[in-house]
Amino acid sequence: EDQVTQSPEALRLQEGESSSLNCSYTVSGLRGLFWYRQDPGKGPEFLFTLYSAGEEKEKERLKATLTKKESFLHITAPKPEDSATYLCAVHSSGSRLTFGEGTQLTVNP
Amino acid sequence: DGGITQSPKYLFRKEGQNVTLSCEQNLNHDAMYWYRQDPGQGLRLIYYSQIVNDFQKGDIAEGYSVSREKKESFPLTVTSAQKNPTAFYLCASSIITDGQPQHFGDGTRLSIL
Repeated sequence: EDQVTQSPEALRLQEGESSSLNCSYTVSGLRGLFWYRQDPGKGPEFLFTLYSAGEEKEKERLKATLTKKESFLHITAPKPEDSATYLCAVHSSGSRLTFGEGTQLTVNP
Repeated sequence: DGGITQSPKYLFRKEGQNVTLSCEQNLNHDAMYWYRQDPGQGLRLIYYSQIVNDFQKGDIAEGYSVSREKKESFPLTVTSAQKNPTAFYLCASSIITDGQPQHFGDGTRLSIL
C-alpha cells in the first residue's frame, strides 16, 4: 500500500526566512510525485510534477526536489502570500493518487 | 477559461435526506474523481471514473453514489446511509496518462442541519 508522510504538520516563518517542507513516500513504482498548494476554503492548486530521483522544478520562490524516498519543497525568502497548506501526492498505479496530510505554512510579515 | 466547476459552494443536509453535489469540467479530461477532506486527515478518495458510464469505488465509498453519463459531468450523491457527511468535498479531473496531475475544483462544504 502506498504511503505518504509530510512533515512538519505546521510551520511558522518570518518573512524572508527560508525553509523546507518534507514529503516521505513508500510506493511500489513511482510514476509521478505532485505538489499542490491549498488556500482555506479552496481546492488544491497544482504546482509541480517530479518523475525521477534527481529531478528539480522551480517556480518563483518555490523549488521542488526528488530522491528515491522523499521530496522537498524549498521556500526561499517567503512572503506572507505564500501562507497556505502544501500537499504532496504520489501516483503509482492506475490513475489514483495517494495524498499526504499536508503542511500548513504561515509566513508572518 | 478551462476548469472544474463545483456547486453549490455550501450545502446543508437534513436527517434522512439525500443530497447531490455537482461537478462539471471543460478540460476534455477522461478521468474524474471525488475526494472527501476532513481536518487533519488529508484527501480520501470516494469514487473515480476513467470513462463515461464506468466508475470505481475508492477507499470510502460507503454511503455515496455517483454517475457518469457525460464526459463533462460527475455528480456525487451523499445518501442518508452516510452517517457522518459533514466535510469538504473536492472534485478533480485528469488526463489518463502515467504521471499526469489531477486538477481540482473549489469544493463544496456539506453540513448537517
